[in-house]
Amino acid sequence: KNEVEQSPQNLTAQEGEFITINCSYSVGISALHWLQQHPGGGIVSLFMLSSGKKKHGRLIATINIQEKHSSLHITASHPRDSAVYICAVRWNTGNQFYFGTGTSLTVIP
Amino acid sequence: EPEVTQTPSHQVTQMGQEVILRCVPISNHLYFYWYRQILGQKVEFLVSFYNNEISEKSEIFDDQFSVERPDGSNFTLKIRSTKLEDSAMYFCASTSRELAGDGELFFGEGSRLTVL
Repeated sequence: KNEVEQSPQNLTAQEGEFITINCSYSVGISALHWLQQHPGGGIVSLFMLSSGKKKHGRLIATINIQEKHSSLHITASHPRDSAVYICAVRWNTGNQFYFGTGTSLTVIP
Repeated sequence: EPEVTQTPSHQVTQMGQEVILRCVPISNHLYFYWYRQILGQKVEFLVSFYNNEISEKSEIFDDQFSVERPDGSNFTLKIRSTKLEDSAMYFCASTSRELAGDGELFFGEGSRLTVL
């Protein structure tokens, strides 16, 4: 069965810390999406990747296709970064995105 | 900034009742999706819609579910006879390009459905 796994499930950090959230998947993909889900439930797209690295502000996303792994990094974390971060992948065999269970991040002032 | 809007934000219904969830996608988008998230679980794909027809659907999207775009702006999800297990947050999403390309997904804020 095709799987998407995220680690850690929960993460607490002090404001200013560098944060890494990981996503691993079991078979080949054509794209990977990092999303942020706010405490109220709304979902915002952060990045879509098929190779390499993307950066937007304090957020950096990388993907290693050979190792079937992606990371989301947050530099200089801030309490407003507190949210659930979700990795979603599109398998090579399909068109839809399949979601991981998310990483719940809490940044303490 | 353009956004996907969903109504209602929360609906409580009795088991067996019909429910319609409404979405207004971003105006120049062509591809539309419904996802659901049961409390504490991951987001799951339900259905995708393009050119006024379903392009893909998951196992979850059985005969109790239907979608339509009745007037060129609204995109609706109907659940014909709700069950307790339909209680979830339902997200509408849209994109300007098919996800097989590099189209970014834009999500609505979600409609929370509670079935009693």
